[in-house]
Amino acid sequence: DAGVTQSPTHLIKTRGQQVTLRCSPKSGHDTVSWYQQALGQGPQFIFQYYEEEERQRGNFPDRFSGHQFPNYSSELNVNALWLGDSALYLCASSSSGARGYGYTFGSGTRLTVV
Amino acid sequence: AQSVTQPDIHITVSEGASLELRCNYSYGATPYLFWYVQSPGQGLQLLLKYFSGDTLVQGIKGFEAEFKRSQSSFNLRKPSVHWSDAAEYFCVSTGGGNKLTFGTGTQLKVEL
Repeated sequence: DAGVTQSPTHLIKTRGQQVTLRCSPKSGHDTVSWYQQALGQGPQFIFQYYEEEERQRGNFPDRFSGHQFPNYSSELNVNALWLGDSALYLCASSSSGARGYGYTFGSGTRLTVV
Repeated sequence: AQSVTQPDIHITVSEGASLELRCNYSYGATPYLFWYVQSPGQGLQLLLKYFSGDTLVQGIKGFEAEFKRSQSSFNLRKPSVHWSDAAEYFCVSTGGGNKLTFGTGTQLKVEL
């Protein structure tokens, strides 16, 4: 049973550019959350998607947006990249109503902004 | 707002020694608490979780944690550390809503 798949694993972007990160949830999961993990820090909640809508959002600017597709996969988009966006971006999937204990994390996408 | 504090950024122990990683949480009610482990290039793996009931919870890989409401703590323990336990450990809480709140992590180094 495949877990959470994230792509790409690494990428390098230039300041001002836009980036799209992708996540395929674990089979049977319908909810996708995104986290940003800066170097030396714990992951920070960006937002969560369920039924193709943003259900909850953390303290991130509007430059961070997302989408969930009918097959439950999700994208994270970041516009106008700046150096501070360099981080590991983690996707976590779960079943609706799991209240945290059913989260499965992907290995992440390492974004470097130069 | 809820928060999680891990006071130790780095900890070094010898293989075979006991381990305790500290965690304090701040939340009005009793949160759901977790410990996750992250190895380089790997996703976060759940070690154990506490929701209610017995305050001593057992997890995978021989880890356990004890919930102490009076101290707002949820410390992770292992009686005998193996070299493969070297990794970063995160204490995590969730209260209302669905987001997970992570501590800043404790990097564990195991000396052979």
